[in-house]
Amino acid sequence: NAGVTQTPKFRVLKTGQSMTLLCAQDMNHEYMYWYRQDPGMGLRLIHYSVGEGTTAKGEVPDGYNVSRLKKQNFLLGLESAAPSQTSVYFCASSYLGDYTEAFFGQGTRLTVV
Amino acid sequence: GQQLNQSPQSMFIQEGEDVSMNCTSSSIFNTWLWYKQDPGEGPVLLIALYKAGELTSNGRLTAQFGITRKDSFLNISASIPSDVGIYFCAGRGSARQLTFGSGTQLTVLP
Repeated sequence: NAGVTQTPKFRVLKTGQSMTLLCAQDMNHEYMYWYRQDPGMGLRLIHYSVGEGTTAKGEVPDGYNVSRLKKQNFLLGLESAAPSQTSVYFCASSYLGDYTEAFFGQGTRLTVV
Repeated sequence: GQQLNQSPQSMFIQEGEDVSMNCTSSSIFNTWLWYKQDPGEGPVLLIALYKAGELTSNGRLTAQFGITRKDSFLNISASIPSDVGIYFCAGRGSARQLTFGSGTQLTVLP
């Protein structure tokens, strides 16, 4: 039972480069989320999706794009990476509804130099 | 947007001591979740609370959903070395998104 799987686990980018982070879940969850975690700031929501083909902005969406072409996958894209995007990125998923918990992947540590 | 204040930011305790941490919100939540994060790992759910006043235990951990729906508490009894990590509260309100606290870094001294 894999749960939520993120790839890659580590990445170093040069300023201006682009990349895509992949999140895959095998729990048939409707909701999927991308968070970033910075020291002393907890987890901040970047974008989320309430179902296949839908996406919505979270708290800190600027500089990121997402796509949910298949229910089990949620992609996070950085079109032109900036040093301010150096962070640890977490994907999470949950069932539909208010009274549900979210399950997290192991994270992607991204450094932009 | 919704804001969560989590305190304390860090704690150093002796093995065997009890620990308390809490979160307060500027708005009402209908779900409170408590997570633990080990170094290099994603957060793992410890306790979920869905009703105001609810008190729920998971082993040595006990969490409560505040009666005002704007706060929650987590207690750890008889701490052990493997309790070390960062503890996060998270709440879900009308916006349906999870809002996270900034975390409590717990260190357990032998």
